[in-house]
Amino acid sequence: SQTIHQWPATLVQPVGSPLSLECTVEGTSNPNLYWYRQAAGRGLQLLFYSVGIGQISSEVPQNLSASRPQDRQFILSSKKLLLSDSGFYLCAAEDPAIAKNIQYFGAGTRLSVL
Amino acid sequence: AQSVSQHNHHVILSEAASLELGCNYSYGGTVNLFWYVQYPGQHLQLLLKYFSGDPLVKGIKGFEAEFIKSKFSFNLRKPSVQWSDTAEYFCAVASGGSYIPTFGRGTSLIVHP
Repeated sequence: SQTIHQWPATLVQPVGSPLSLECTVEGTSNPNLYWYRQAAGRGLQLLFYSVGIGQISSEVPQNLSASRPQDRQFILSSKKLLLSDSGFYLCAAEDPAIAKNIQYFGAGTRLSVL
Repeated sequence: AQSVSQHNHHVILSEAASLELGCNYSYGGTVNLFWYVQYPGQHLQLLLKYFSGDPLVKGIKGFEAEFIKSKFSFNLRKPSVQWSDTAEYFCAVASGGSYIPTFGRGTSLIVHP
């Protein structure tokens, strides 16, 4: 089965600083990869998804960007963080060749922008 | 665009009580339906899924869900909850051949021993 690694688990950053959150996947090849933000009482908001290396789709306009430099690596970035970027970020992977639509999630990163 | 509604945001039950969490979606075509669960301090994980066939789906830990197409619903049930069922539950729907599910807002369940 797939294992999703996310780091760091928690992060405190000042406003205006850059951000880089990394997600790596084990146990599958050519996964679809996703970045979500989870806010209390608001469910999971899809931020980005990727169906292959270098292929990124953005679901909502925002201060963040994503990149997929390798098949099983997905990075969430920002050049200058805003207070509103605080939240809980989840990476997920899906192997459409084996189990379409079923997502496996990482442990998440709690980001606090101060 | 697909939308998913979970009507109960917070549910508090005593052990052995019965549970039903509502989930409704908006898309009227072919759908794949999911319930995910997030136990305290753990990863979000799949609880059960419906792709086709028997609309009554059995999942792990005694949970089940029933797909009622005419009502656009996929409610989660458990006849007798345990303290260990305390968690946040998310309904998700993927529709129209898309591989991207839309998640509901989640329901926080607290079970008192």
